Amino acid sequence: GAVVSQHPSWVICKSGTSVKIECRSLDFQATTMFWYRQFPKQSLMLMATSNEGSKATYEQGVEKDKFLINHASLTLSTLTVTSAHPEDSSFYICSARDSEPNQETQYFGPGTRLLVL
Amino acid sequence: GQNIDQPTEMTATEGAIVQINCTYQTSGFNGLFWYQQHAGEAPTFLSYNVLDGLEEKGRFSSFLSRSKGYSYLLLKELQMKDSASYLCAVMDSNYQLIWGAGTKLIIKP
Repeated sequence: GAVVSQHPSWVICKSGTSVKIECRSLDFQATTMFWYRQFPKQSLMLMATSNEGSKATYEQGVEKDKFLINHASLTLSTLTVTSAHPEDSSFYICSARDSEPNQETQYFGPGTRLLVL
Repeated sequence: GQNIDQPTEMTATEGAIVQINCTYQTSGFNGLFWYQQHAGEAPTFLSYNVLDGLEEKGRFSSFLSRSKGYSYLLLKELQMKDSASYLCAVMDSNYQLIWGAGTKLIIKP
């Protein structure tokens, strides 16, 4: 089956620093990747849709200058949380959709836990 | 607005059958997904329905009625490891997933 990896799994950082999270589709090409955030006991919240070779589309209320997304290849998207603050502490999950026609399923990475001190 | 409704929590007994319902109202429809999410982990894909009817996959089955805006996930021969949250999501006309809040399923021995 389709596999999506994320790195790192865990990150603890000081307030004010920037953190980069990588999302890779390992055995398929993904024109579109999605970044979600999930706070404890809450549903997934879509942050942005990342399209290979173009700018990401951000959901309302998500600051594009704070959450930088780069989707430079068909297998890699990165999310950079700039100047992180404690309220950015959350579980960040990416998903990828196979570029093949009629492939609508999103496959999720294992997630990255971010703790900002 | 767009809305996905599913029960917040359900309890069932090991070895039994449980049905988790999902109703939706979305702008357009390009399929309905069920995902399983264990505590502290990312969701894993269970099923995708785009046509009416029942899709069976081992112990899990998913049903869709587009005219009623309704789906259910049926879990048979429940095992303790099935304790998890089950997320219903609908792909709208823009091919974006609209998520339900999830149903926490508790399995008792």
